Amino acid sequence: AQSVSQHNHHVILSEAASLELGCNYSYGGTVNLFWYVQYPGQHLQLLLKYFSGDPLVKGIKGFEAEFIKSKFSFNLRKPSVQWSDTAEYFCAVATNAGKSTFGDGTTLTVKP
Amino acid sequence: EAGVAQSPRYKIIEKRQSVAFWCNPISGHATLYWYQQILGQGPKLLIQFQNNGVVDDSQLPKDRFSAERLKGVDSTLKIQPAKLEDSAVYLCASSLDSTYTEAFFGQGTRLTVV
Repeated sequence: AQSVSQHNHHVILSEAASLELGCNYSYGGTVNLFWYVQYPGQHLQLLLKYFSGDPLVKGIKGFEAEFIKSKFSFNLRKPSVQWSDTAEYFCAVATNAGKSTFGDGTTLTVKP
Repeated sequence: EAGVAQSPRYKIIEKRQSVAFWCNPISGHATLYWYQQILGQGPKLLIQFQNNGVVDDSQLPKDRFSAERLKGVDSTLKIQPAKLEDSAVYLCASSLDSTYTEAFFGQGTRLTVV
């Protein structure tokens, strides 16, 4: 069975600071990788996804993530965060059979 | 495009009572998921439907939880009888097919069992 680990439970940054949220997974086969975001009071929505090809993927709102296969990692980055990035971020993996597993999430608080 | 609709948004029940949640996925989406999200944790898959057939219900506590997806569209998730530990947000999501290229989530139902 696959598992997903998100290293940081709560991250607090000032506006304009750089962000990196860690995500590691364990699974022996091919996976699709996702980052979802949940803004306060809203539903989960897709931030970005990786299926194959270029391991550096770009998502909405200036976010990007890099898949490092040898490290089983899919870390999320943003060069300069804004107050509006305050949200909860979830890393998820899905197998070819469509079985999905989510990490426990990282709460990001950006101070204005 | 209309999103995934769930109702109710909130529900408070006493333990040992029963409760049902409803989900209407995005039109044309073949796959429907029910997740349980306990406070401080990520969503945990309870059951996955492909059209009206069950693909994965390995983490569904079948002694008290049941789910159906009649006609391959709407779905209901039922808990009977509820326990205190069932307090969570129940999320419904749908995707175009079973390969999980992207799942679209509803707002969820927050269940409190007292």
